[in-house]
Amino acid sequence: DTEVTQTPKHLVMGMTNKKSLKCEQHMGHRAMYWYKQKAKKPPELMFVYSYEKLSINESVPSRFSPECPNSSLLNLHLHALQPEDSALYLCASSQGGLGNTIYFGEGSWLTVV
Amino acid sequence: AQRVTQPEKLLSVFKGAPVELKCNYSYSGSPELFWYVQYSRQRLQLLLRHISRESIKGFTADLNKGETSFHLKKPFAQEEDSAMYYCALLFEANNLFFGTGTRLTVIP
Repeated sequence: DTEVTQTPKHLVMGMTNKKSLKCEQHMGHRAMYWYKQKAKKPPELMFVYSYEKLSINESVPSRFSPECPNSSLLNLHLHALQPEDSALYLCASSQGGLGNTIYFGEGSWLTVV
Repeated sequence: AQRVTQPEKLLSVFKGAPVELKCNYSYSGSPELFWYVQYSRQRLQLLLRHISRESIKGFTADLNKGETSFHLKKPFAQEEDSAMYYCALLFEANNLFFGTGTRLTVIP
């Protein structure tokens, strides 16, 4: 299994809703990532988990809350989002460390109404 | 601070013509550079990494530390090469920073 799997593929939520994006990998990777990609823009790093511990938080607003229940799973909990948070959210994983290659999922398209 | 510059947002070439997508970087440490490609309706996928020095789908890229460049080249473009290409710099082991991307269109 060489894939990063993300669910749901599409999500529409209101500004008062609470929802979660889920990500799974079974490649034995020890680092997992959340990226945000707006239309016609490059992906921007949000969070990195290394060995199930949050190692990088790129000053993301607290309405985005990551969680790494185990080494194969990564969640992104969403609460009180704004319409400008609408974007493609990409999960990725890698072995971690120098020389590692980062593999991406297909992404979850989020629309906040 | 790190920076990755892809000067061309859009690039069009004819099928069979050579193609070069430019990438320049700025980083104080030892860079690890990648090219990622995003075909229409597909996930972002790795095309090349500089440390492996391999050729994938006919593409090559050489790291030039003197010019701080990592340009992507292919001698004969194919229609299936039409996609979005991102140059990316890996630093602090796990932080992958993307350039703004170049959309390549190969004209039949």
